[in-house]
Amino acid sequence: DAGVIQSPRHEVTEMGQEVTLRCKPISGHNSLFWYRQTMMRGLELLIYFNNNVPIDDSGMPEDRFSAKMPNASFSTLKIQPSEPRDSAVYFCASSFWGRDYNEQFFGPGTRLTVL
Amino acid sequence: EDQVTQSPEALRLQEGESSSLNCSYTVSGLRGLFWYRQDPGKGPEFLFTLYSAGEEKEKERLKATLTKKESFLHITAPKPEDSATYLCAGSGNTGKLIFGQGTTLQVKP
Repeated sequence: DAGVIQSPRHEVTEMGQEVTLRCKPISGHNSLFWYRQTMMRGLELLIYFNNNVPIDDSGMPEDRFSAKMPNASFSTLKIQPSEPRDSAVYFCASSFWGRDYNEQFFGPGTRLTVL
Repeated sequence: EDQVTQSPEALRLQEGESSSLNCSYTVSGLRGLFWYRQDPGKGPEFLFTLYSAGEEKEKERLKATLTKKESFLHITAPKPEDSATYLCAGSGNTGKLIFGQGTTLQVKP
């Protein structure tokens, strides 16, 4: 398996622009997680899905952030409009929901820079 | 509020100098304590899951242990390739992983 795939790997945009991050989880996994990592706040969970259904979005910072999972093999995280404080590395992770459901496997991340 | 705290923030070792990383947690209804390794520019890589106090797991030069209040990651005779940031995370009643800030380990040859 190729592991969790994220695109783009790097994104530089200007304040006010829309940004869409993409994630393909590991085949067979039924839970998907979006995280944000910064030096100040570390790794924070934004939202997670189970069987394509959003379960907990309490970590989504503002209404500017939205996430979708239209099918088991694809998810997007959208920021509209983007702001400089959104600059961070965004990780997608997936796992199989069961006793060990939190053995999450992370993608390589998308480094977002908002100017 | 669930919380995970790691210490030290940074650790420098000479090759072969064994040491331990600490992870203190207050997680309601702990269901699992997880260790990850993160290299610069990469996503966290899963290492271990510990489920109950007294449990130990080993992988090469790493051994993770768990008590009711903390977990330790013991590194025996480390090599330069063990240099990375080590993240600890707890999962409790909420089902979410709560990560610590990490310990950045540097092993000098």
